[in-house]
Amino acid sequence: DTEVTQTPKHLVMGMTNKKSLKCEQHMGHRAMYWYKQKAKKPPELMFVYSYEKLSINESVPSRFSPECPNSSLLNLHLHALQPEDSALYLCASSQNSYEQYFGPGTRLTVT
Amino acid sequence: QQQVKQSPQSLIVQKGGISIINCAYENTAFDYFPWYQQFPGKGPALLIAIRPDVSEKKEGRFTISFNKSAKQFSLHIMDSQPGDSATYFCAARNFGNEKLTFGTGTRLTIIP
Repeated sequence: DTEVTQTPKHLVMGMTNKKSLKCEQHMGHRAMYWYKQKAKKPPELMFVYSYEKLSINESVPSRFSPECPNSSLLNLHLHALQPEDSALYLCASSQNSYEQYFGPGTRLTVT
Repeated sequence: QQQVKQSPQSLIVQKGGISIINCAYENTAFDYFPWYQQFPGKGPALLIAIRPDVSEKKEGRFTISFNKSAKQFSLHIMDSQPGDSATYFCAARNFGNEKLTFGTGTRLTIIP
């Protein structure tokens, strides 16, 4: 089973709202990732957690705040976003940083 | 040096034909080369991958060819089917920082 689940599927939020994206994997993978993908572009890495610790932050603005409550869960807290932050947000997990398995994504629209 | 260059940007192939997508890289720290398939509104799915000590890997209708000296690798889809219509991304993993660098993507359309 290589399933990564993400909720919600779609999210519309205003620029003053606070919301969270959730990701879950039950494959026992040690690393979890957040990516951002704009239309017709490749995924862009945002954050990497390894063994529940933040190991990579790709200079992401502080209005995005990741959290890894346990080895199966990854959250992305959103606050004061801009319309240009509208994108598909993808979560991925990996046991060894080679095979990364992506979830279906959350389509975020910031109004 | 971190880039992976992918071509073509879009590709139209007749059903039953061979689809070929190419990627090139410069960074010799790359040690793993996966291909991802992405359908509209879905996340990328790992399709097939290769390590640089192997020149070719085949899984069903999908084959990766790898040329280490030329720093190039390609995806071949044999007997292409309409269900293969999707965007394909090549990628490369950096041994040093474990990050994946993605190519720019190829939109493949298989016509009947």
